[in-house]
Amino acid sequence: EAGVTQFPSHSVIEKGQTVTLRCDPISGHDNLYWYRRVMGKEIKFLLHFVKESKQDESGMPNNRFLAERTGGTYSTLKVQPAELEDSGVYFCASRAGGYGYTFGSGTRLTVV
Amino acid sequence: DQQVKQNSPSLSVQEGRISILNCDYTNSMFDYFLWYKKYPAEGPTFLISISSIKDKNEDGRFTVFLNKSAKHLSLHIVPSQPGDSAVYFCAASASGSARQLTFGSGTQLTVLP
Repeated sequence: EAGVTQFPSHSVIEKGQTVTLRCDPISGHDNLYWYRRVMGKEIKFLLHFVKESKQDESGMPNNRFLAERTGGTYSTLKVQPAELEDSGVYFCASRAGGYGYTFGSGTRLTVV
Repeated sequence: DQQVKQNSPSLSVQEGRISILNCDYTNSMFDYFLWYKKYPAEGPTFLISISSIKDKNEDGRFTVFLNKSAKHLSLHIVPSQPGDSAVYFCAASASGSARQLTFGSGTQLTVLP
């Protein structure tokens, strides 16, 4: 079974630019989550999809962040315009049921 | 405010000895606890978990202990191996929260050969 795939693995952009991160969950996993780790601190929840619906986006920092999951398959997380404090590692995870989270390798975003 | 805390950012242990990683939480609604292991440039991988109805769960070299009254859990690795060197994250979840995970800031474990 293929794991959770994220790309790009790294992205360096200038402040004010737009970046789109993509996550392909494990096939058949209805639950998809985005998390972020900033500056070596804790991994923080951003939002949760069930299929194509946003269940909880309470962790989204502000309206510069937009997540979509069209058709309930892959998801994108767009940051527009990017700010310096958006730098960090963005993790996607998917889950079928129970507690079985599978994380992707993450996208390291650097805003300069 | 951080609901899950790992107060030791790093820990070094000699190969073959026991590694003990600690985690404290403040939210009494948490009812499921997990430990994840993370190597550089990889995502967190699940290691072991424990439900709040238990106080111990064991899986091979890994044992997690839960002290609900103290809101404290710990991960014991014995014997420690150099391949165990990684960042270990404690995470907690509350029922009804769609199993959203709240993580600690991680502990870098280094097992010295």
